[in-house]
Amino acid sequence: SYELTQPPSVSVSPGQTARITCAGDALSKQYAYWYQQKPGQAPVVVIHKDSERPPGIPERFSGSSSGTIVTLTISGVQAEDEADYYCQSADNSGWVFGGGTKLTVL
Amino acid sequence: EVHLVEAGGGLVQPGGSLRLSCAASGFTFSTYAMNWVRQAPGKGLQWISYISSNSSSIIDYADSVKGRFTISRDNAKKMLYLQMNSLGGDDTAVYYCAREYCTGGSCTFDFWGQGTLVSVSS
Repeated sequence: SYELTQPPSVSVSPGQTARITCAGDALSKQYAYWYQQKPGQAPVVVIHKDSERPPGIPERFSGSSSGTIVTLTISGVQAEDEADYYCQSADNSGWVFGGGTKLTVL
Repeated sequence: EVHLVEAGGGLVQPGGSLRLSCAASGFTFSTYAMNWVRQAPGKGLQWISYISSNSSSIIDYADSVKGRFTISRDNAKKMLYLQMNSLGGDDTAVYYCAREYCTGGSCTFDFWGQGTLVSVSS
């Protein structure tokens, strides 16, 4: 079955830039989406259509795509950005989520 | 304001059944596709089922639940359902319903409920 591969964890200091990658063969043909999930809460979409930011999402969140890898970039990380981040895409069998990346703000 | 509220979770024995529901409000339910996503304790998100806005057209399942789970909806009542049969320990998870919003060739899970916990144990 189709898989999306993310690093399990990323750590950055406040004010630095965090980059979270997601790799998958179909990403060159399908859009990717990014969700933020804080403990005990439902996920919230922070990036859709590879690089578009929904209303209300801070400008420090951005997305990019290159071939079979998509990247979520958080510029000027704040303590409140500490959360799990999941990429999502589609294949012929339905929707697929990456394994998730825990972002730790040191 | 969009609200999705799941209900029906609980403790069930292995091999048992459970029916989850998701009550929608604040939007025209009948015009949106819906999904179920689950999250096992301490684990990541797993998509498990999709139903199109017109429930007679497109329904899809993850391989892990195909043949055991059935998704359905009642647009008049603004309700989404998930009938779960032959439950096993691997089905223990928080189950979320999520609205799928599509525009410009892109679809996003833009609203999620708070989830309902299903525990499968003897």
